[in-house]
Amino acid sequence: DGGITQSPKYLFRKEGQNVTLSCEQNLNHDAMYWYRQDPGQGLRLIYYSQIVNDFQKGDIAEGYSVSREKKESFPLTVTSAQKNPTAFYLCASSIIGDTGELFFGEGSRLTVL
Amino acid sequence: SQQGEEDPQALSIQEGENATMNCSYKTSINNLQWYRQNSGRGLVHLILIRSNEREKHSGRLRVTLDTSKKSSSLLITASRAADTASYFCATDALYGNKLVFGAGTILRVKS
Repeated sequence: DGGITQSPKYLFRKEGQNVTLSCEQNLNHDAMYWYRQDPGQGLRLIYYSQIVNDFQKGDIAEGYSVSREKKESFPLTVTSAQKNPTAFYLCASSIIGDTGELFFGEGSRLTVL
Repeated sequence: SQQGEEDPQALSIQEGENATMNCSYKTSINNLQWYRQNSGRGLVHLILIRSNEREKHSGRLRVTLDTSKKSSSLLITASRAADTASYFCATDALYGNKLVFGAGTILRVKS
């Protein structure tokens, strides 16, 4: 079945550590996105990529980094520079060229201890 | 600030009743989408309505769009306990290439 796989589902991190969240899709979508969700709030865009080896900052990119070496993969690194990293992170993909339907993974919940 | 804002923030109804959620936005758009999120899960796309459409149906869902008022509504008819979830609207600005999500409406359907 086609879809988006995020891992790990739960992650705990000590302050000062970098962590990387995995996002893999087999939908053959060109565009991929990372969103952050805080309790009671909507989704905020961190980074997005429309083609391999290219990506753009979203609204809250500070303290995060991404790479897009393969079409299927778009990992997100939460660096120690992110001051409040505890949140629910969602990866999504879509067909390029049209802001149509986004397909989401099941999310990764990061907790900083 | 976010493009879409949902109203109400929370809604509690009895099974069988209809649920109506509203979304307002600020700038001209290409399309507006509604998504559903069960607690602790990813979002699932429900319906997309384009700026030149006024109403769209999908099963028990009915979406309206009023571009003059920059608002949309999502109606769920004959609600079920399984409809309990958060519902988000998302818009893309006319000259943008990304979706912006509102804060969502939490719907609770009591059986």
